[in-house]
Amino acid sequence: TQLLEQSPQFLSIQEGENLTVYCNSSSVFSSLQWYRQEPGEGPVLLVTVVTGGEVKKLKRLTFQFGDARKDSSLHITAAQPGDTGLYLCAGERAGSYQLTFGKGTKLSVIP
Amino acid sequence: DAGVIQSPRHEVTEMGQEVTLRCKPISGHDYLFWYRQTMMRGLELLIYFNNNVPIDDSGMPEDRFSAKMPNASFSTLKIQPSEPRDSAVYFCASSLRGLYNEQFFGPGTRLTVL
Repeated sequence: TQLLEQSPQFLSIQEGENLTVYCNSSSVFSSLQWYRQEPGEGPVLLVTVVTGGEVKKLKRLTFQFGDARKDSSLHITAAQPGDTGLYLCAGERAGSYQLTFGKGTKLSVIP
Repeated sequence: DAGVIQSPRHEVTEMGQEVTLRCKPISGHDYLFWYRQTMMRGLELLIYFNNNVPIDDSGMPEDRFSAKMPNASFSTLKIQPSEPRDSAVYFCASSLRGLYNEQFFGPGTRLTVL
């Protein structure tokens, strides 16, 4: 059973379109992180959200943590080819210094 | 500053051979994590260390897998004997104890067992 479910698994869109990807769980997390992984590289941390309802923006990327701290979303405005990659969410539960990763959403932005 | 360094980047070996993967964490980081990534199972935690001491190895799939961290700047993950189902990308990550576990990943070792 996957603790963190990400959807969709695959997403292919045209440059300039908007998109949202989701990360859902039945568990409560003390913090949730989003990473982006490009082919042949390791994941790179984008953001950490910690408070229920928190919204963080990173240029055209908007991250939201659910009120109950069980889910999160990533919205990209006006996607660009440079946004192409695998987007992973990872949750940390209180009392545990481990991250549990979702399987990721593979995004392709077509010029 | 150098990030997490892993070697080799690619490893091709035959079933039954011993494989050793190496990792140098970011200087000053006190946590080190070994992960395995496959299409089917995603990114799975194998083992992690704090101040060179193994804390949780419950993710290590079998006794064929072992990991060591002899000092703060070096860790190894060994598979002996290797099997085709061990083929995957193995990542090492490190972090500095803080409020949140924000990890820095190496580039990974792509292992192929024939």
